[in-house]
Amino acid sequence: GENVEQHPSTLSVQEGDSAVIKCTYSDSASNYFPWYKQELGKGPQLIIDIRSNVGEKKDQRIAVTLNKTAKHFSLHITETQPEDSAVYFCAASIQGGSEKLVFGKGTKLTVNP
Amino acid sequence: GAVVSQHPSWVICKSGTSVKIECRSLDFQATTMFWYRQFPKQSLMLMATSNEGSKATYEQGVEKDKFLINHASLTLSTLTVTSAHPEDSSFYICSARDVRASSEQYFGPGTRLTVT
Repeated sequence: GENVEQHPSTLSVQEGDSAVIKCTYSDSASNYFPWYKQELGKGPQLIIDIRSNVGEKKDQRIAVTLNKTAKHFSLHITETQPEDSAVYFCAASIQGGSEKLVFGKGTKLTVNP
Repeated sequence: GAVVSQHPSWVICKSGTSVKIECRSLDFQATTMFWYRQFPKQSLMLMATSNEGSKATYEQGVEKDKFLINHASLTLSTLTVTSAHPEDSSFYICSARDVRASSEQYFGPGTRLTVT
């Protein structure tokens, strides 16, 4: 089955710097890759996603890149702010009708003011 | 848009009792909803897939008789934890997939269950 690896598990950056989180997946049939931000005690919030027919997608300070050949995708946050501090999860879809998601283990991002 | 609510947000119950958690899509219809469990500082673990009008599909290792799921309408799914025990204490989160969108899942705020 699908397996998603996420690195690093923790990331600390200074305000204004960029942050990059990387994920790899195992199932070449996966075609949908969302990223979620989860604040303490809350549910995950979809922040950006990408489909396998696209190599890059950007939304203001957030961008996601996808390399289908290497089966890895990355989240890029530029000009980080303290409110970006949270746990970020990547996920990959499992094909077969219900389109379940398999999640990475998460990255705790801390943006220091 | 794409708002999912859960009720209650937290609940404390005694061992042996049952607890029902509701998941609602507020501004869209969802033929499919998912129930996850999350332990502290860990990732989300899919428990089951809830399909409107049909039986839920449970992941391997999840007891269907203990975690009863009902997807009664296109906007409501419920999870009932039966005969709860302290080890069932966890953060339960639902997500819903918009019928108009092929893959996007939107998550609820979660329900913190504590079994004493």
